Amino acid sequence: AQKVTQAQTEISVVEKEDVTLDCVYETRDTTYYLFWYKQPPSGELVFLIRRNSFDEQNEISGRYSWNFQKSTSSFNFTITASQVVDSAVYFCALSEPSYGQNFVFGPGTRLSVLP
Amino acid sequence: DTGVSQDPRHKITKRGQNVTFRCDPISEHNRLYWYRQTLGQGPEFLTYFQNEAQLEKSRLLSDRFSAERPKGSFSTLEIQRTEQGDSAMYLCASSLGQGDTEAFFGQGTRLTVV
Repeated sequence: AQKVTQAQTEISVVEKEDVTLDCVYETRDTTYYLFWYKQPPSGELVFLIRRNSFDEQNEISGRYSWNFQKSTSSFNFTITASQVVDSAVYFCALSEPSYGQNFVFGPGTRLSVLP
Repeated sequence: DTGVSQDPRHKITKRGQNVTFRCDPISEHNRLYWYRQTLGQGPEFLTYFQNEAQLEKSRLLSDRFSAERPKGSFSTLEIQRTEQGDSAMYLCASSLGQGDTEAFFGQGTRLTVV
């Protein structure tokens, strides 16, 4: 079955520290898609990034970067120089179009960035 | 179109009552999803539509739950004979494509069953 694991339930850092959120997935297919979403205190899930299984290039967007490693089935997310506004719950999600058309979410990691 | 909108944002109902939620997706999106999220958990899939066709339902979607998407536009999720265990945030999302593109979520409807 599809499964997404986010082993870190909660992380606290002080502003300007770097922080990495881990995501490990299980999949039965060679074609799949991985996503990260942010859920701030307001509650709305905000899309951050999408990655397909054939593209292992790491990606950087401003202070955010993502490390996709198929060999370890991981798709980790790093925030550089964290800010208080980064405080939120972050979800990793998996989609396997061949086996089901929905997104399977991990349990989330609550990040608190302290001033 | 500014995004996915859900109505109402909050609903308090007595156990045994029926409730209906509405979701208006991003206008050009052919896919519409319903998820449920309880406190401290990730969203759990309930069902999804491709245009007006309901193509998949989770085992979480008991017989008391029904969803529709007439004409492939807005969608409604109805819960009959609500139970306290139905208390949760109900999230709607929409996307283009065949499950290979990102979904955009609404702000959710928070249901409290008392």
